[in-house]
Amino acid sequence: DIQMTQSPSTLSASVGDRVTITCRASQSISSWLAWYQQKPGKAPKLLISKASTLESGVPSRFSGSGSGTEFTLTISSLQPDDFATYYCQQYNSVYSFGQGTKLEIK
Amino acid sequence: QVQLVESGGGLVKPGGSLRLSCAASGFTFSDYYMSWIRQAPGKGLEWVSYISSSGSSIYYADSVKGRFTISRDNAKNSVYLQVNSLRAEDTAVYYCTRDRSSMVRGAHLHWGQGTLVTVSS
Repeated sequence: DIQMTQSPSTLSASVGDRVTITCRASQSISSWLAWYQQKPGKAPKLLISKASTLESGVPSRFSGSGSGTEFTLTISSLQPDDFATYYCQQYNSVYSFGQGTKLEIK
Repeated sequence: QVQLVESGGGLVKPGGSLRLSCAASGFTFSDYYMSWIRQAPGKGLEWVSYISSSGSSIYYADSVKGRFTISRDNAKNSVYLQVNSLRAEDTAVYYCTRDRSSMVRGAHLHWGQGTLVTVSS
């Protein structure tokens, strides 16, 4: 099974900050990686698939990069609506999620 | 627009069973892989099971293998999750999802609102 490890688990930041979340796979997953955003009490929302493809309607301040075993999600300028929990997920071999990164207001 | 509506959750005793249903609309259901994903209270996301568009390919997480069964009825635009031998650790919101692209397995673009399964005596 492929294990996904996100860091950090919690991130405190301010509106306007640039933030980066890292996701590491226990073995190569090529570019078969997705990023999701989840707000309390809501279903997750797909932000990025295939490591760097932004889904329709997702603001361009979100970007994804990486391949193989190391991936990043970057938010270029945090907006109030971005404070949420973010999950990475590999879909190279079945599926598995990272443990999540909670993005909090500093 | 794509809609996924789960039902069938509830309170069940350890060892009990439930059948979760997901009614889909707004797309050609028989073209898409479907998954169930769960989230225990205050915890992260855990993929549970997927079924291919035709139903010929099915996979389960190790944590539910042998206890849960996924199925679909393309004529009824529905996917199901039979959950047996329930344990306290199965307590979670169960989400039905549709993959991003037709005919291939991929990221989960569409999610239902979730149905809560609580396992407690």
